Amino acid sequence: KAGVTQTPRYLIKTRGQQVTLSCSPISGHRSVSWYQQTPGQGLQFLFEYFSETQRNKGNFPGRFSGRQFSNSRSEMNVSTLELGDSALYLCASSLGRANTGELFFGEGSRLTVL
Amino acid sequence: DQQVKQNSPSLSVQEGRISILNCDYTNSMFDYFLWYKKYPAEGPTFRISISSIKDKNEDGRFTVFLNKSAKHLSLHIVPSQPGDSAVYFCAASEGGSEKLVFGKGTKLTVNP
Repeated sequence: KAGVTQTPRYLIKTRGQQVTLSCSPISGHRSVSWYQQTPGQGLQFLFEYFSETQRNKGNFPGRFSGRQFSNSRSEMNVSTLELGDSALYLCASSLGRANTGELFFGEGSRLTVL
Repeated sequence: DQQVKQNSPSLSVQEGRISILNCDYTNSMFDYFLWYKKYPAEGPTFRISISSIKDKNEDGRFTVFLNKSAKHLSLHIVPSQPGDSAVYFCAASEGGSEKLVFGKGTKLTVNP
């Protein structure tokens, strides 16, 4: 079956702009999580959505937001971009039941903020 | 404060030998531990996990050991193969949550 699909794969923005990233989970998966990966901080949890509701949230400022649609597809938005937001943003999907360890990750969207 | 730590940024071993990757954690509420493998330009892929009620879990050449009293886990790969070369991330979760706390990774290189 098709894996997790993230678009766009690469994008360049300037400070102050906003960006929207999209994630299509594996068919049948109801949970979508977002992670930020940077060289200094590693992989950090942003938030998780399950059945269109935010179920978990990490320690990121309010400029980072997300949503999930009825078909489980998810988007995340970063407003008022800062240089430090340059990172690989990874989306992961799962069935959403008690953690079995199997989060399926997409290839990521690499954001560069100039 | 880093709750999951991988103190070795890199590890190099010879093909056929054992690779041991280590991970320490500080949060005693973590009850599920996972190892993910990541190749360049790809997302992480799940490799093996262990529940806190166990101290060992095997999957072929991969074995994860958990020492709860020391808050330490390790991933053993034996025999190591060149295709195992990747960055390995240790991760932990609490209460069955999809929220994973990751270490910063260890880059494993298996030399032919």
